[in-house]
Order: sequence, then structure tokens, then C-alpha cells
Amino acid sequence: QSALTQPPSASGSPGQSVTISCTGTSSDVGGYNYVSWYQQHPGKAPKLMIYEVSKRPSGVPDRFSGSKSGNTASLTVSGLQAEDEADYYCCSYAASDGADLRVFGTGTKVTVL
Amino acid sequence: QVQLVESGGGVVQTGGSLRLSCAASGFSFSRSHMHWVRQTPGKGLEWVAIIWNDGRTDFYVDSVKGRFTISRDNSKNTVHLQMNSLRGEDTGVYYCAKDAYHATFDYWGQGTLVTVSS
Repeated sequence: QSALTQPPSASGSPGQSVTISCTGTSSDVGGYNYVSWYQQHPGKAPKLMIYEVSKRPSGVPDRFSGSKSGNTASLTVSGLQAEDEADYYCCSYAASDGADLRVFGTGTKVTVL
Repeated sequence: QVQLVESGGGVVQTGGSLRLSCAASGFSFSRSHMHWVRQTPGKGLEWVAIIWNDGRTDFYVDSVKGRFTISRDNSKNTVHLQMNSLRGEDTGVYYCAKDAYHATFDYWGQGTLVTVSS
């Protein structure tokens, strides 16, 4: 049950794109198409942005997209806007010996320059 | 609309106990798995526990196994987290979250702060 690895920080100017990686193992990210991404502004609860690797909930702008290759998932924010400045966390399903588990990433702070 | 409201947080001494509650409304509670997720000071999110919709199956992160117990009352639309033998590293904001699909938390409460002090 080790945390998934994310870069501590990422940044971009308004209108640019930023991509955040989330690296796990074949027991979590690589083993299932069950990766989700959350946005968290200071003092607020996390908000679901992407689920099942690349699906967007209703109301989430299409500037947010997700993908996965092997043991690494990625979140891309295109056309950066000031309100995108926040912490982002990935999460993966991580079944182990029949146990129904989840594991979060270490988090990435996105700064809009 | 969906609402999750946590309560029960506070200050407790090392080795003490605390019981968190989460009142749910606006969705079919008895058909939803529920989770507790915590966020330690200055750090990230950590998944703590899940209880399946029928209340008979639960799983925990290794660091709380044997100390924390998740439970639910489907007649009252509430989920609880009984925390025993608390340690300093258990300090943080505890969120109740609704499960949707695998590894997806579609709704979150506002969180309740637990502080374990020596």
C-alpha cells in the first residue's frame, strides 16, 4: 500500500497545457483501468475531475483529460486558467488478496504563472 | 442534492479514542459503498477504509488495521469511524466520501478535524 508517485509541482502560463504523471505498479495503476483524479483548492474538499482513467463527470470542463500507459497515468489540463491553480491527486483501485483497497498519489501543486 | 456531513472530530490524547460520524442524504445510501479518507497536516490524501453497502464487508489501510473500525447504519443513513489507540500521525482532517465505480469518490463531506496530542 505505497502511495502513488506524483511530481510535487507543475506550472504553466494561462492558455498553456500542463501534464501531471501518477506512477504506481502492476498491482494498482497498471493492473486496472480504475484511476481517478481530484482537484483540491485550499481549505476545500477534493473534487472529482476524471474517473476510470479518462472519463469526465458532468460539469467538468473538457480542458481536463486523462490517459494511462503501463503503470503510469496522466492528467492533462489544457488552456490553463487561473482557477485551475490547485492541488491535484490521483487515486487507483488496488486489490490485494481479495481486499478492496484504494491508494492515492502524493499530490501535485499546479501553479498558473 | 447529495450531502455528506461529518461530525465527532476534536482533540484527544495519544492512546485515546474518538468516534466520527457522517450523515448522508440525497442519494440511495443503502446501495452505496462508503469511505473514510484523511489528510494529514501539510500532506496529501490517504485512503483509510471502505465499508460495502450491506455493512458486512470492510477493508482498511495497513496503518490503521486493528485500531480503526468502520461501520454503518442503513436505517439512519450514517457511517461511522471508531478510532482507538490514536497516535500523533493520525492527526488530520477526516473526510467521508461516497463510492461510485472503482476508485472513484463522487461526493465528499466538508471534513472533520482530529488532533491527537501528547
